[in-house]
Amino acid sequence: KAGVTQTPRYLIKTRGQQVTLSCSPISGHRSVSWYQQTPGQGLQFLFEYFSETQRNKGNFPGRFSGRQFSNSRSEMNVSTLELGDSALYLCASSPGQGVLPQHFGDGTRLSIL
Amino acid sequence: DAKTTQPPSMDCAEGRAANLPCNHSTISGNEYVYWYRQIHSQGPQYIIHGLKNNETNEMASLIITEDRKSSTLILPHATLRDTAVYYCIVRVEGDSNYQLIWGAGTKLIIKP
Repeated sequence: KAGVTQTPRYLIKTRGQQVTLSCSPISGHRSVSWYQQTPGQGLQFLFEYFSETQRNKGNFPGRFSGRQFSNSRSEMNVSTLELGDSALYLCASSPGQGVLPQHFGDGTRLSIL
Repeated sequence: DAKTTQPPSMDCAEGRAANLPCNHSTISGNEYVYWYRQIHSQGPQYIIHGLKNNETNEMASLIITEDRKSSTLILPHATLRDTAVYYCIVRVEGDSNYQLIWGAGTKLIIKP
């Protein structure tokens, strides 16, 4: 069974731009969660989507948004990029909302210049 | 909020058992403990989880104290590929949703 797939693996943007990251969950998994990982703050929860609806949300500004499609694939968007948004963005999937354990992809490394 | 405390780093000799402790003294009765590890440049990998009983799978064993205030992850025969950051995580239930509280983890270095 294929794992969680995130694209792209690496991305370089400049301040003020916006970016869209993609996540394909494990087949049959309907919940997708997004996390931001930085050296200083560690792993922080962004949001969880299930059945195309955001079900849970962390403490991030509105510049961070996401969506989920009917095939459970998910995208995360960050607008008006700031230098502090440089991080590894991780996607995790699980069979249902709040169902653990989650299984992670290898992330998208976003660098802001 | 239930939170976890882990030593920042540990060494272990290849072939020996690696015992990684975690303190979760404020854990509630229905909160599970989860263990993940993250190898450099990869996403976190699920290892094992438990509520009150000891658990074992093909990767590791999890020993939870009777009072549930701490647990130990045991890698029975550590290899160089087990070098990673190990996270002990507690799921905290809120009114309408939940949070996974990730700490800083333990950097485990397996030495030949």
